Amino acid sequence: DTEVTQTPKHLVMGMTNKKSLKCEQHMGHRAMYWYKQKAKKPPELMFVYSYEKLSINESVPSRFSPECPNSSLLNLHLHALQPEDSALYLCASSQETSSRVSSYNEQFFGPGTRLTVL
Amino acid sequence: TQLLEQSPQFLSIQEGENLTVYCNSSSVFSSLQWYRQEPGEGPVLLVTVVTGGEVKKLKRLTFQFGDARKDSSLHITAAQPGDTGLYLCAGANHPNFGNEKLTFGTGTRLTIIP
Repeated sequence: DTEVTQTPKHLVMGMTNKKSLKCEQHMGHRAMYWYKQKAKKPPELMFVYSYEKLSINESVPSRFSPECPNSSLLNLHLHALQPEDSALYLCASSQETSSRVSSYNEQFFGPGTRLTVL
Repeated sequence: TQLLEQSPQFLSIQEGENLTVYCNSSSVFSSLQWYRQEPGEGPVLLVTVVTGGEVKKLKRLTFQFGDARKDSSLHITAAQPGDTGLYLCAGANHPNFGNEKLTFGTGTRLTIIP
């Protein structure tokens, strides 16, 4: 299985709602990522999990809360979002190799969740 | 802060023509990846280049990594409508596993006109 899957595909939520985005991979990858992508822009890194521990938080507002229940799953919990948070949210994973020097950090992306905040 | 500038930002050409997309930085990267992204989908990895001066071919696509590992190019021969998409380069530095970050380029939006 060489896929990263994300659910839901589309999500519309109000500013007072609580929702979660889900990501799953079965490639044995030990690093997983959340990105935010606005229209016509490159992806912007939000969080990195390495071996199920949060290793990078790119100063993301606390209304976004990541969670890594196990090595195959990554969630992004959303609460009290703003309309400007509307974007495509991408999950990615990458493999850890026995020699870290030879890890090229090839990241494999899911199809994304299109989030609209009303 | 590392930056990757891509040029051109937009490119619209006729089917069958050739084109080159450039990815430039003042920073050195240990590897560089090229992705293609369709509207509403996630980026799809096309290739990874690692060695300075390396050239890789993927059918009609030719990727080159600069000798100093600061820049890269993507050349497409006889472009097809299926090549339409957003092309992104992304640079990685020697990994400190657990702190993996890619620096994405500014993107090139390519449209091939049938």
